[in-house]
Amino acid sequence: EAQVTQNPRYLITVTGKKLTVTCSQNMNHEYMSWYRQDPGLGLRQIYYSMNVEVTDKGDVPEGYKVSRKEKRNFPLILESPSPNQTSLYFCASSQQGDYGYTFGSGTRLTVV
Amino acid sequence: GENVEQHPSTLSVQEGDSAVIKCTYSDSASNYFPWYKQELGKGPQLIIDIRSNVGEKKDQRIAVTLNKTAKHFSLHITETQPEDSAVYFCAASGNNFNKFYFGSGTKLNVKP
Repeated sequence: EAQVTQNPRYLITVTGKKLTVTCSQNMNHEYMSWYRQDPGLGLRQIYYSMNVEVTDKGDVPEGYKVSRKEKRNFPLILESPSPNQTSLYFCASSQQGDYGYTFGSGTRLTVV
Repeated sequence: GENVEQHPSTLSVQEGDSAVIKCTYSDSASNYFPWYKQELGKGPQLIIDIRSNVGEKKDQRIAVTLNKTAKHFSLHITETQPEDSAVYFCAASGNNFNKFYFGSGTKLNVKP
């Protein structure tokens, strides 16, 4: 089944403790992207990647890092999480930039 | 960057009626406009999209219209069914088709 898999689904952590949210897609897509979803704000793009080793900032990149060492994986790294990063995070992939994205099921992160 | 506004934030219709959700965008260079449906506890799912060289696109009960001059686009759902109840998001690609800007979402409730 074609899908984007994120892990974990739920995560509660403490301020300052580094964490990684993994994302993997099995569709051989070139493009991958991370979003955060907050009530009343829709989805906001954090980072995106056009191919292996090619990444760029979205609208809200502060406090996040990404890497794209393999085509299928695009992990999101929070080196020092803060409470304002409490949110619902989605990873998505697409065969090309100006094309519909397939989203994962989301990771609900709480930073206390 | 691009700014996408979406209205209404909530919409309640009777089963069988039509529903219309409207979005406006600010960047005249935007050329790709997808619509996503998000059910509770799931990631957004692409339902229809339109490109700037097309004024209207239809897929069964769903249609999207685009007015590039006025910089607005709309989602039309006819003969609504209870399973259409969800949150709908519009998006625009901006002048960099790798970046996407989402509206704040419309919660559609279809009453049986």
